[in-house]
Parts: sequence; C-alpha cells; structure tokens
Amino acid sequence: DTEVTQTPKHLVMGMTNKKSLKCEQHMGHRAMYWYKQKAKKPPELMFVYSYEKLSINESVPSRFSPECPNSSLLNLHLHALQPEDSALYLCASSQGISYEQYFGPGTRLTVT
Amino acid sequence: GENVEQHPSTLSVQEGDSAVIKCTYSDSASNYFPWYKQELGKRPQLIIDIRSNVGEKKDQRIAVTLNKTAKHFSLHITETQPEDSAVYFCAASRAGGFKTIFGAGTRLFVKA
Repeated sequence: DTEVTQTPKHLVMGMTNKKSLKCEQHMGHRAMYWYKQKAKKPPELMFVYSYEKLSINESVPSRFSPECPNSSLLNLHLHALQPEDSALYLCASSQGISYEQYFGPGTRLTVT
Repeated sequence: GENVEQHPSTLSVQEGDSAVIKCTYSDSASNYFPWYKQELGKRPQLIIDIRSNVGEKKDQRIAVTLNKTAKHFSLHITETQPEDSAVYFCAASRAGGFKTIFGAGTRLFVKA
C-alpha cells in the first residue's frame, strides 16, 4: 500500500468552529508532514513529525494544532481560523530524511 | 534563508517537442533534489529525483541534471505528450533535515 489517505476531502467551517483533519499511511514511514497550498502556489511546510515527535514547526499560528497519535496517523486540529486560512491542506509521509514524500489527496478547507 | 528559484513560470510546447525547466538553490548544504508533478485538482507526485553525488539521472522521457558548483538543476522532458500538461515543482532539501524547499512551479502546456 503506497497511499496516503486524508479525510475529509472538503471542509467548510466558520471562524468559531473547531474541526480536525485526519491523515493515515500504512507504509511504515516514520516522518509525516502537513503542508498548506494556496492556488497556483507551491506547498508550504507547516509541521513535520519524526518518530511521532514534532520535529519542525514553521512558526504556524496556534490556531493550527498538530497531533501524531501513532506512527500511522496524523491529525491537524483547527480552531478559530481566519478566511485567509482557506487552502488545500496536504499531508505527506516519507521513509526519512532526503527520501521521496508521498502526498495525500488533500483536504480543501474553506473558512467562512 | 533557503530559497529555490524556478524558471520559467509558464511553458507552452508543441506535442513531441522537448521541455526544459530550470531551478537554482541557495543552500549549499542541499543534497536531495526531487521533482514533483501536480495535475489540476490532484496531489503532487514524484516524477524523478537526484542526489548530490550524481550529476545526471534519466527515466525514460524524463531526465534531471545537477550542477553542484553552480547550485543549479534542470528537468528535461523529451517527446512531450498532452498528458505531460501539469504544474511541475522542483525542490531541495539539506542533509540531515526534513525541510523541503519548493520552487514556485512551472505550468507546462503541451499542445496536441
């Protein structure tokens, strides 16, 4: 299984809502990533988990809260988002440093 | 900080012609250079990658070259086909780090 799955595919939320994005991989990868991608822009790294520990936080606002419950799962908890947070949120995983990243299909988030 | 510049931003070619996309990176410690293809509404997918100990790599119609001295790498697609139409991102990551820096992307159009 070389697939990364993400749920939900689409999410519309108000600025006062709390929601979570989920990501799962069963490739035995020990590194998992969250990216944000705006239209016609490259993916922008948000967080990296390595061996279930937060390795990188790219100065992301605290209204985004990542969680790695186990080696196969990655969550992104959302609270009090702003309209400018509307974007495609991509999860990815890799064997480790300097290896191919496998991306999930993304969650298209709209904040109203 | 680290930066990857990518050119051109848009490239239009006739089916059967070659396409070349060029990238320049700033971090001399970078050692892994992947290229991702992203079709409209889909996830980025790796098409080829190269490591700093190799100058050139080829996979069927796709090739990548790396010039470490100039901190420059390029993607070459020969005999282009309409299904090659997509956005292509170059990227660079440094030894010992999970962070991947993406170029701004090249939108390739292959006209039948």
